[in-house]
Formats: sequence, structure tokens, C-alpha cells
Amino acid sequence: EAGVVQSPRYKIIEKKQPVAFWCNPISGHNTLYWYRQNLGQGPELLIRYENEEAVDDSQLPKDRFSAERLKGVDSTLKIQPAELGDSAVYLCASSLDEVTHDTQYFGPGTRLTVL
Amino acid sequence: QQQVKQSPQSLIVQKGGISIINCAYENTAFDYFPWYQQFPGKGPALLIAIRPDVSEKKEGRFTISFNKSAKQFSLHIMDSQPGDSATYFCAASMGGGKLIFGQGTELSVKP
Repeated sequence: EAGVVQSPRYKIIEKKQPVAFWCNPISGHNTLYWYRQNLGQGPELLIRYENEEAVDDSQLPKDRFSAERLKGVDSTLKIQPAELGDSAVYLCASSLDEVTHDTQYFGPGTRLTVL
Repeated sequence: QQQVKQSPQSLIVQKGGISIINCAYENTAFDYFPWYQQFPGKGPALLIAIRPDVSEKKEGRFTISFNKSAKQFSLHIMDSQPGDSATYFCAASMGGGKLIFGQGTELSVKP
């Protein structure tokens, strides 16, 4: 069974440019997470979806970040405009059920470099 | 109160030795404590997890020790192997799928 798929794997952009990341979760997983992992740090949750509903976006910088999960499957995370401090690895994860501490399965991430 | 503090930041162990990584938390509402393993260029993967109603959980060479009164938990890797070289993250959750991760420990096992 395929794991969590993310694309692109790497992205280099100049500041003030827009960028988008795509995630395809494991089939049948209702819950989808976006995390940001700064260099040398643990992942930090940005947003959590239960099916197509964003149930926790309290850590998402809404002035420049947006996300969507159309039809409750694939998801896209967008940054517009990007800033130097946005350079990080953006991880997508999915789980069967967000209520019962189900295992979160992570994708390989997208490494973003903002110049 | 939402933080999980992890130490050491890096660890070098000889092959066959025991690797020990420690974590501490403040929020007593946390009720799930997983450890994740991350290799370079990969996403974190669940290694082992424990709930606060038990003091120890063992899976193969990996053991979690949990001290509820001290609000601390640790990962022990017995008979450490070069293939165990990775970054290890402890985490804590109080439900709802939100994991609070520690800062990570970069483990290097020397042959």
C-alpha cells in the first residue's frame, strides 16, 4: 500500500513569490495534517483536517498561509507571499481517526528554500 | 505548558551499547506519548508509544520508561546498531490528533 505522497520534494523560490504543496494521504484515512519542521527542530502542527473540514487551524499564519482539502482526500497548502523565514520542510501526515490516538503516517515532506 | 523538552540534542554510542534519550513535559492532560524515528530525507515514522497507565513498554530492542509523578519518559535502545542512526523525537498528545514534538535527538551509532 502506498504511503503519504507529497510533491514537489524540493522547491526553491524568491521571497514574495507564491508556492503550493500537494499531499495525497493514505487511502481511507479521514484525518490529514500539515506540519512545518524547521531545521534541527521537531514538527509543528499547522492545520488538521477531519475529512474536508479544518478542525484545528490555530497555528496556521492566516495572513499568508492557506490550505484546502477538496472532497476530503488530497490537500494543498499555499503560501503567498513567501518570506525568508518560511524556509523549512513541510510535512503532510494522515491517520484513520483523530480521536483515538491513531498512528500518524508522515510523507517525505517538501523542502522549501526561500531566497 | 504545551512544551515537551528533549535531551540530549545529540548522542554518539558504540555498536552494541545502550542509547538513552529523555523527555519531560508539564501538562498533566497529556495521555499519549509516542516516539518517532526520522532518517534524512524521510518523514518521521512511529517507533513505539506508551500511555500513562503503564510504567514501561518494550518492543524488541526499544523500551519506553514512563515516570508519571516526575512527568518524564525515556527511550532506551538496547544493542544499538549503525542502522539505528537517525533523529529521534518524543511527542505528547492529549487527544484530538495534535502531537507536541520535542526538539529531537540525533543519534549516531559507531561501528
